[in-house]
Amino acid sequence: GQQLNQSPQSMFIQEGEDVSMNCTSSSIFNTWLWYKQDPGEGPVLLIALYKAGELTSNGRLTAQFGITRKDSFLNISASIPSDVGIYFCAGQSNFGNEKLTFGTGTRLTIIP
Amino acid sequence: EAGVVQSPRYKIIEKKQPVAFWCNPISGHNTLYWYRQNLGQGPELLIRYENEEAVDDSQLPKDRFSAERLKGVDSTLKIQPAELGDSAVYLCASREDSYNEQFFGPGTRLTVL
Repeated sequence: GQQLNQSPQSMFIQEGEDVSMNCTSSSIFNTWLWYKQDPGEGPVLLIALYKAGELTSNGRLTAQFGITRKDSFLNISASIPSDVGIYFCAGQSNFGNEKLTFGTGTRLTIIP
Repeated sequence: EAGVVQSPRYKIIEKKQPVAFWCNPISGHNTLYWYRQNLGQGPELLIRYENEEAVDDSQLPKDRFSAERLKGVDSTLKIQPAELGDSAVYLCASREDSYNEQFFGPGTRLTVL
């Protein structure tokens, strides 16, 4: 099935650094979502974006809905150890009923 | 409030054996999803239920996979017979009608030997 292109595939950073990751699609989406998945758990929603150009924050996380509706970006400021995990973007064509198309994931590791 | 419950958490079987996964969604969530997550990939939708009706099963390999949600609450996903390529994590998610957020369960990790 289709998977969105997410980059980078993995990141190794030091605690306190800022993190940026992005997600691109060949298709237009009307909703972009960002999830975090910890080992042995299901994905947990971090931020939802519903409008092209929208910039939304959730604590230290900021996400943007690309103006072309084919991409999205997630930034994490001042990373802390609990930020470790895999981050997935997901696109959705319509609110609610449409399936989520997930990205390939960005694995974030914090170096002590 | 309890989240999405899945069982078993882990399952190891030999190829050609049948296997079943169970999901109990969050109370009051009418929409239920089954996803498959291969190693190093994001989840991919297998089937979506609105109450007891399967409204999107286009991605479900129907030759060996089946699912049911008879009373519109909990659901079972079955594979018969299992193949080596079915090794993956099977995630269940549910959603309340008025909201867009899908809540995921912890998944069942299937290993087919």
